[in-house]
Amino acid sequence: QVQLVESGGGLVKPGGSLRLSCAASGFSFSDYYMSWIRQAPGKGLEWISGISGSTTIIYNTDSVKGRFTISRDNAKNSLFLQMNSLRAEDTAVYYCGRGVAPAEWGQGTLVTVS
Amino acid sequence: DIQMTQSPSSLSASVGDRVTITCRASQGIRNDLGWYQQKPGKAPKRLIYAASSLQSGVPSRFSGSGSGTEFTLTISSLQPEDFATYYCLQHNNYPPTFGQGTTVEIK
Repeated sequence: QVQLVESGGGLVKPGGSLRLSCAASGFSFSDYYMSWIRQAPGKGLEWISGISGSTTIIYNTDSVKGRFTISRDNAKNSLFLQMNSLRAEDTAVYYCGRGVAPAEWGQGTLVTVS
Repeated sequence: DIQMTQSPSSLSASVGDRVTITCRASQGIRNDLGWYQQKPGKAPKRLIYAASSLQSGVPSRFSGSGSGTEFTLTISSLQPEDFATYYCLQHNNYPPTFGQGTTVEIK
C-alpha cells in the first residue's frame, strides 16, 4: 500500500534552514506528481509546493517562493523541501502528498520557527 | 489565485442529521475539486475527488456534487465518527487552494 513518511522537522531560529524529507513506498514514485502542504497550529491547510514526476513542472506559492525549494530523487523514492530564511509564520505541520490534490498523505512533521 | 469560499465555518448537528457544506470558487474550476476530512492531530483524508466521485473505502453516506463555481458535500446521516473538520480543495489552476474549513460539532 502507499506509504509516505516525512522527517526532518524540528525547532529552528528565525532566518535558519531545515530540509524536510518524504520517503515514499508502495507505488511507482517517478510516475507521480508530489506536493507539500502545511498547516499552521489551529489553522487551515495551505498547499505550498509541487513537483511533477519528471521534475519538468515545479510550482511554489508566493508565500514560499525564493525561500523554499522542492526536489525529488526518483532513484531513492524520496521527496524533499529545502527551507531557507525561515520565519515565525512558517511554523506548521508539513505534509507530503501524492498528487496535486493528494489522496494519500504522510503523517506530517512539525516545524517550529522560534 | 482562485479563492475558495467555504460555508458554514462551523455547524452543530446531531447523529442522524443530514449535513451540507458548500464551497464556492471565485472562477470556474470545472469539476477539479476534492473534499477532505481531518480529525485532530491526523492528516487529512480525501473523501471525494472530481467533485462527485467517492474515494474507495469511504462510506456511501458521503456524496459530492457541483461543477463550475459551486460545490456541495453532503453527509446523508451523520455518524459519531464524522465529527471533524472538512475542507474543499480546487486544483484547476495553480496554486491549488483550500477552503477555510468547516468544523462539524456535536449538538
